[in-house]
Amino acid sequence: GDSVTQMEGPVTLSEEAFLTINCTYTATGYPSLFWYVQYPGEGLQLLLKATKADDKGSNKGFEATYRKETTSFHLEKGSVQVSDSAVYFCALSNTGGFKTIFGAGTRLFVKA
Amino acid sequence: GAVVSQHPSRVICKSGTSVKIECRSLDFQATTMFWYRQFPKQSLMLMATSNEGSKATYEQGVEKDKFLINHASLTLSTLTVTSAHPEDSSFYICSATATGFGNTEAFFGQGTRLTVV
Repeated sequence: GDSVTQMEGPVTLSEEAFLTINCTYTATGYPSLFWYVQYPGEGLQLLLKATKADDKGSNKGFEATYRKETTSFHLEKGSVQVSDSAVYFCALSNTGGFKTIFGAGTRLFVKA
Repeated sequence: GAVVSQHPSRVICKSGTSVKIECRSLDFQATTMFWYRQFPKQSLMLMATSNEGSKATYEQGVEKDKFLINHASLTLSTLTVTSAHPEDSSFYICSATATGFGNTEAFFGQGTRLTVV
């Protein structure tokens, strides 16, 4: 079945450091790919998405490119802030199914 | 964008009682709603899928008599945790979707943190 694998955390960075969180997926067909963010004690917020190969999703300085050849959707940010500390989930949803499959989540700590 | 509202955001109940969690789509008609459970520091696990007017489809290992799901209208689904026990304490999140959103994205509620004492 469909699955998402993302790098284990926690990831600890200093403010203004470069962030990469790796995500790879296994799916039939042509899924849409998502990154969600969960701040402490809160629900999920959609951070960015890409619906087809080579699409780049971007939001709040975060970017991820849908790479079908490597089945990857790595999250990057050039300069993280303390306020970016949260748990980040990579996810996929297959056409017609609506069901969202989540990765295990990666906790990010950003130190001032 | 589409908004999904979940209520309550937090609830504390005594062992043996039942708790109902509501999930509403505020500005669209949700043909399908999903219920997830999140254990501390873990990912979201799908519990069940509900379609308006029909019985919910439960994932393997989820007790349907324990977690009652009702999707009586196109804007409301409810999850009732019956005879709750401390091991049911968790973060429960719903999501909703409909045709017209490209068949690719579901919208999530804010989540409900249930504590059973």
